Amino acid sequence: GAVVSQHPSWVICKSGTSVKIECRSLDFQATTMFWYRQFPKQSLMLMATSNEGSKATYEQGVEKDKFLINHASLTLSTLTVTSAHPEDSSFYICSARVRGASGGYEQFFGPGTRLTVL
Amino acid sequence: AQTVTQSQPEMSVQEAETVTLSCTYDTSENNYYLFWYKQPPSRQMILVIRQEAYKQQNATENRFSVNFQKAAKSFSLKISDSQLGDTAMYFCAFILYTGNQFYFGTGTSLTVIP
Repeated sequence: GAVVSQHPSWVICKSGTSVKIECRSLDFQATTMFWYRQFPKQSLMLMATSNEGSKATYEQGVEKDKFLINHASLTLSTLTVTSAHPEDSSFYICSARVRGASGGYEQFFGPGTRLTVL
Repeated sequence: AQTVTQSQPEMSVQEAETVTLSCTYDTSENNYYLFWYKQPPSRQMILVIRQEAYKQQNATENRFSVNFQKAAKSFSLKISDSQLGDTAMYFCAFILYTGNQFYFGTGTSLTVIP
C-alpha cells in the first residue's frame, strides 16, 4: 500500500516557539492531504484539508493563523504550529488520499507526531 | 450530517476467542465506503478491513470479518481466534464515495487477555 511518512516523530519545544511538522507521500502523489489531532484515548479530529497549490480548508474551530498549512508539492504538506503553548501538546497525524482501483478514495495515515510544549 | 457511533468504549477477550465490535452510522447518502482501523500502542493507524456500501457480500480479511447491514446502518467487526497483537484501539470510519472527509467513531479499546 501507499506509504506516508511524518517528521519528526516527537518534538519537544518551549512555549512561544513555532514547530513545523512534515508529511510526505513516499511512493505516490497526493493532491489532497489531511491533518488530524488526537488527544489521549480519543478519536481523530480533522483539523484541515491540505490541497496542493491552494489554500488549506480548515474545520470549524481550528485557528488558521495558529496552525499554518502549506502543501507546496504533490508529495509534501507541512503543518506549522505557531507560538506553541502547552495546550497545543497533542498527537498530530497526517493522511493522504489515494484513488483506489474501484474508483473510490482511500486514506493512508502517517505514523503521527507527538508534540510536547513545555 | 454524517455520524459514526461506537457504543463500546472498552472490551476484552480471551486469547483465541472471538469478539465482535459494534458500529453504527448515519448518512442520507447511498454510496460510501466503510472501514475499520486499528491503532496499536505505536499509534500508527492501520487499515483492518474495508467495505463498499454497494456490495452486499460482507468483507473478510483472514481473521477479520464484518457484518454489514445497510438498512440498519450497522457495520460490526468480528475478530476470530484473537491474538495478543490484536490489542489496540479500533476505529470505525466511513467516507462518502465522492467525499473528502473521513468520519470516525470514538473508538473501542480492545484488550486480548492471555
